[in-house]
Amino acid sequence: EVQLVESGGGLVQPGGSLRLSCATSGFTFTNFWMTWVRQAPGKGLEWVANVKEDGSEKNYGDSVKGRFTISRDDAKNSLYLQMNSLRADDTAVYYCARGRGVGVWGQGTTVTVSS
Amino acid sequence: QTVVTQEPSFSVTPGGTVTLTCGLSSGSVSTSYYASWHQQTPGQAPRTLIYNTDTRSSGVPGRFSGSILGNKAALTVTGAQADDEADYYCLLYMGGGSCVFGGGTKLTVL
Repeated sequence: EVQLVESGGGLVQPGGSLRLSCATSGFTFTNFWMTWVRQAPGKGLEWVANVKEDGSEKNYGDSVKGRFTISRDDAKNSLYLQMNSLRADDTAVYYCARGRGVGVWGQGTTVTVSS
Repeated sequence: QTVVTQEPSFSVTPGGTVTLTCGLSSGSVSTSYYASWHQQTPGQAPRTLIYNTDTRSSGVPGRFSGSILGNKAALTVTGAQADDEADYYCLLYMGGGSCVFGGGTKLTVL
C-alpha cells in the first residue's frame, strides 16, 4: 500500500523556520517526482514546490521562492520542505504528494505562523 | 501571470450528469498541460480522480471521466451520487516544471 506521512508541523513565530518531512512507503521512491501542496484555512489548494526523481530539478511557486527549499533523501525514501522567513500567510495544511501531476496524497501536517 | 479558471460552484441532481471545466485566463488547455483532477470533502485530504487528462486513478469509479472539451480540460460525472458532493480542483502543468491549481469548484448534489 502506498503511504505518505507528513510530520514537522506546528506553531512558529513570524520570521521563524520549520522543516517538514514526508516519509513514504509502498512504492519505488526514486521513480517519482515529489510535490508539496498547501491549503490555507478556508481556501483552495496551492502548489508549492516539486523535485525531480533524481533531485536534479526543483521548482517553486512564486509565493515561496527564495524562502522555501525542497529536498529528498532517496536512502530514506523521504521528502522534505525547509521553510524559512515564515509569514502569517504561510499558515496552512501542507500536503506531501507523489508525482509531478500529483497522483497520491498524504494526510497533511498543519503549520501555524503566529506570534 | 496565467490564471487557471474553474466554475466557483455547480449543482447536479442525483443520477444526473455534470461537466466541470478547467481553463486558462490566456490560451487553451491541451493534453500538453497534463491536467489532473482532485476531489476533496470537508476535513479530508484531497484524492486524485484523473491524471494525464483522461486516466482514471486506481479505485476511482467509472462515472468520473476526464477529457479536453474545446479549449478546456473537463471532468464529467455521469450518474452523480450524494457522496460526490465535494470540492473539485484541477491542476495544470505549466511548463518549466511548475504547476498551478485552479480555484476549485464546489459541487452540490441536490
